[in-house]
Amino acid sequence: DTAVSQTPKYLVTQMGNDKSIKCEQNLGHDTMYWYKQDSKKFLKIMFSYNNKELIINETVPNRFSPKSPDKAHLNLHINSLELGDSAVYFCASSQESSSTDTQYFGPGTRLTVL
Amino acid sequence: AQKVTQAQTEISVVEKEDVTLDCVYETRDTTYYLFWYKQPPSGELVFLIRRNSFDEQNEISGRYSWNFQKSTSSFNFTITASQVVDSAVYFCALTPYGQNFVFGPGTRLSVLP
Repeated sequence: DTAVSQTPKYLVTQMGNDKSIKCEQNLGHDTMYWYKQDSKKFLKIMFSYNNKELIINETVPNRFSPKSPDKAHLNLHINSLELGDSAVYFCASSQESSSTDTQYFGPGTRLTVL
Repeated sequence: AQKVTQAQTEISVVEKEDVTLDCVYETRDTTYYLFWYKQPPSGELVFLIRRNSFDEQNEISGRYSWNFQKSTSSFNFTITASQVVDSAVYFCALTPYGQNFVFGPGTRLSVLP
């Protein structure tokens, strides 16, 4: 059974469009995250949610908006896509909100903006 | 400020060789955790190990072993008798208590048959 799943796996879209990436975890974890991995493989946290509440919001353009309908889901909506948004986006989850807890990652969504 | 350095950008070894991936970290916090993750060519991130700053015991798991040395702020990872399936990018990460994960830049390991 997949622990952390993301859809879609690949997303190709035109500049200026709006798109969403969905994430679900079936681990019963309380905290979920979004990370961005750039073309050089550098991983950086974007957002963190604990029990549907935002707890980390790094310096990310406000075109990016996370939405957590329940603690098992954390979706990422991106408005007015730009070329620089092309990256792999990873969802992750951990049991607790403590940053020292192990994070389990989804398979990633490769976003390509043309 | 927290920082993780993985000085080896890429390493190539021949199958069955032993290989060590270096990780050096910087933090002023006394309580922190260190992690290693593996990213194979398929792209997912796989958790390998979590270690807290108060536990300096080395750990062995099959062909994998980790050497944590607080005196040199290092948390190195050794693969014994490497296999082609070990080819991946390996990330070291640091998280001081109450702060975000900080990932190193990764080391790309290629194991040649």
